[in-house]
Amino acid sequence: HSALTQPPSASGSPGQSVTISCTGTSSDVGGSNFVSWFQHHPGKAPKLMIYEVNKRPSGVPDRFSGSKSDNTASLTVSGLQAEDEADYYCISYAGSNNYVFGTGTKVTVL
Amino acid sequence: QVQLVESGGGVVQPGRSVRLSCVASGFTFSSYAMDWVRQAPGKGLEWVAVVSKDGSITNYAESVRGRFTISRDNSNNMLHLQMNSLTVEDTALYYCAVEAFDIWGQGTMVTVSS
Repeated sequence: HSALTQPPSASGSPGQSVTISCTGTSSDVGGSNFVSWFQHHPGKAPKLMIYEVNKRPSGVPDRFSGSKSDNTASLTVSGLQAEDEADYYCISYAGSNNYVFGTGTKVTVL
Repeated sequence: QVQLVESGGGVVQPGRSVRLSCVASGFTFSSYAMDWVRQAPGKGLEWVAVVSKDGSITNYAESVRGRFTISRDNSNNMLHLQMNSLTVEDTALYYCAVEAFDIWGQGTMVTVSS
């Protein structure tokens, strides 16, 4: 399974919104409701921000939202804050006990 | 508190083996499938392997299939990753994670170098 495609970078000023895409195929993103998003600071444990396409774990601000259309999932961060600067990864179930991560997006808060 | 702690990393020569471990606490370990995920230096996250709750079902990424073996010991809340025939491409920070990836350890670094 090839890695899901994410833009290498995204940026926005404080208070603005940024949306990150995660494009796969009908065998993974398009065929699964197991699509999650992680916030990751290298060397630290990734933090789950969105699961099952659009659900937020307890404690994650509602500024983070997820959606999916066909083979592309998206993460939107609204009201950007300095603390949101990090790498973001999507992951999808790809059938037969396989999972595939996205290529990762570095979000910069200008 | 819910916690995963990995161990076993270090520097190993190409072609050699290493066994990683992950001890779980704060939750019912035997109720969840478990995964290993890795991140090579300067690269993205890569899913490596999964094991079912009772250890009977496993699966691997193509890049490690046939060389790595994931296993678990539910009586001791332990997850393992036996890594054989290591190459420099296996150099990475290895994380264990609970099935929905909502709980992660801090990772253990494996460096394959001569």
